[in-house]
Amino acid sequence: AQSVTQLDSQVPVFEEAPVELRCNYSSSVSVYLFWYVQYPNQGLQLLLKYLSGSTLVKGINGFEAEFNKSQTSFHLRKPSVHISDTAEYFCAVSAAADGQNFVFGPGTRLSVLP
Amino acid sequence: DAGVTQSPTHLIKTRGQHVTLRCSPISGHKSVSWYQQVLGQGPQFIFQYYEKEERGRGNFPDRFSARQFPNYSSELNVNALLLGDSALYLCASSLVDLPSGNTIYFGEGSWLTVV
Repeated sequence: AQSVTQLDSQVPVFEEAPVELRCNYSSSVSVYLFWYVQYPNQGLQLLLKYLSGSTLVKGINGFEAEFNKSQTSFHLRKPSVHISDTAEYFCAVSAAADGQNFVFGPGTRLSVLP
Repeated sequence: DAGVTQSPTHLIKTRGQHVTLRCSPISGHKSVSWYQQVLGQGPQFIFQYYEKEERGRGNFPDRFSARQFPNYSSELNVNALLLGDSALYLCASSLVDLPSGNTIYFGEGSWLTVV
């Protein structure tokens, strides 16, 4: 079985500052890794995903994430945040044999302050 | 093209009642999955259906059931509602079943409140 830990439940940051949202996972098999964003009263939108290949993955809205197998981490970064980035961010893993069974972390609430 | 659509968007039910939630996947998508998101937590996998067959089931009681229709739309049914079933129920669709690296697209969810 897989599990996901998001170490920070809330991250406040000033506008135009950089941000890193941390994600660690546990799995005995190879997994695919995802970051989703959820704006208030909306569903989840895919930011980026790691399937294989380059460990640095670029996504939408200027976000990127780096897969680190030895540290079982998949941290999300953005060099300069905007007010509109305020949302809940979820890290998720999926094992190749599990179809669409995504295991989500508890989420990190990013609040961008003016 | 329309995204994943869910209905109803909000509903209130009484303990012990039954609820049916509906989902229409993106056109051409044959896989539908259901997730429960309790306030303040990440979504939890309930079911996945592909080509009208159940492909996966999460750790939920038998009160939860689902089905997929020939047009690939899906229903989630919950019997004997408990207060703890209050949550946002998310439906997601994708083109294919495996490999799981395919992107799944979420609808905006159905908010269920059990009183």
